Amino acid sequence: DTEVTQTPKHLVMGMTNKKSLKCEQHMGHRAMYWYKQKAKKPPELMFVYSYEKLSINESVPSRFSPECPNSSLLNLHLHALQPEDSALYLCASSLDTSRETQYFGPGTRLLVL
Amino acid sequence: GNSVTQMEGPVTLSEEAFLTINCTYTATGYPSLFWYVQYPGEGLQLLLKATKADDKGSNKGFEATYRKETTSFHLEKGSVQVSDSAVYFCALSDLQGGSEKLVFGKGTKLTVNP
Repeated sequence: DTEVTQTPKHLVMGMTNKKSLKCEQHMGHRAMYWYKQKAKKPPELMFVYSYEKLSINESVPSRFSPECPNSSLLNLHLHALQPEDSALYLCASSLDTSRETQYFGPGTRLLVL
Repeated sequence: GNSVTQMEGPVTLSEEAFLTINCTYTATGYPSLFWYVQYPGEGLQLLLKATKADDKGSNKGFEATYRKETTSFHLEKGSVQVSDSAVYFCALSDLQGGSEKLVFGKGTKLTVNP
């Protein structure tokens, strides 16, 4: 089973809202990732968690706050977003962070009004 | 830094045509190489991968060979189907700060007509 699940599938939020995206995998993977993908562009890495610790933050604005409560779950907390943050947010996981294949979830399509 | 250059799209083919999507890379060391596919409205799916020089990755009729001498990883399929219409991303693994990152090409949109 190489499934990464993400909820919700779609999300519309205002600039003053607080919302969270959720990602889950049960493959025993110890590395998890958040990517942002704008239309007609490749995914851009935002965060990497390795063994539940944040290992890479690609200079992401603080209005995005990741959390890894356990090895199977990854959250992305959103607060005071801007319309330009509208995008597809993809979660991925891999066995670890060393040359292992990343498996992607279906994504959450976010619209900020 | 490490980078991936992918042929510009879009690519439009008729069903059963031969497909080639070019991908070249710049890297220090010996990264793993990947092709991912993204169908409309979906996330990325791993199509195939190769971890060392001369390795051939293959899946669903698609193939790509890791060519160190030409720093290339071109994607090929002998006979495309309408269902292959999607965006294809070439990527390499890049070690930074002790963690592997994926570096993606810009993507190539393929449309296959009946």
